[in-house]
Amino acid sequence: SSELTQDPAVSVALGQTVRITCQGDSLRSYYASWYQQKPGQAPVLVIYGKNNRPSGIPDRFSGSSSGNTASLTITGAQAEDEADYYCNSRDSSGNHPQVVFGGGTKLTVL
Amino acid sequence: EVQLVESGGGLVQPGGSLRLSCAASGFTFSSYSMNWVRQAPGKGLEWVSYISSSSSTIYYADSVKGRFTISRDNAKNSLYLQMNSLRAEDTAVYYCARGRLDFLDAFDIWGQGTMVTVSS
Repeated sequence: SSELTQDPAVSVALGQTVRITCQGDSLRSYYASWYQQKPGQAPVLVIYGKNNRPSGIPDRFSGSSSGNTASLTITGAQAEDEADYYCNSRDSSGNHPQVVFGGGTKLTVL
Repeated sequence: EVQLVESGGGLVQPGGSLRLSCAASGFTFSSYSMNWVRQAPGKGLEWVSYISSSSSTIYYADSVKGRFTISRDNAKNSLYLQMNSLRAEDTAVYYCARGRLDFLDAFDIWGQGTMVTVSS
């Protein structure tokens, strides 16, 4: 099966812009979705499809994709954005369809 | 309020079995695909299994295929995961998650999770 690779940790100064990336062969065929997870809480979907935000997600979160890389951009990072971020996508490379998650990126807001 | 509530977790010995449940409310459960996703302590998310709205299509991660069985009862608004031949590496918080209607692999509603510990 395919894998999705994320940087383990990224930091950003308060109010600045940060990009979190996710790489994998499956992203050439399928969109990535992005999830925010804070300690002790369930994940929350923040971006899906080409660049769609569920209701209630601030517009400082955006998504993009090029080739085998998907990106989550936070424009004007806030203290409450400090969290783990995971990407996922469909994976049809194996004998049967699966869903694959990236290893996660820990975002620190300085 | 749209909600998913998992139950059934606990401590089980290696080789044992456990059945998880996920109760859905606040939406038309029978219209949505559902998934189980797990997270080992201090680790990342791992997708476990998918079931379509009518149960006609089911997928499993390679790590659980042949040991776990996903099912649903749309009349009871409930999702299940029967876990057999449990191993230490199955220790994790298990989440049920709803797939969006337009993007099945975008999980827009998650439960709070139920902890499964496999240990002797």
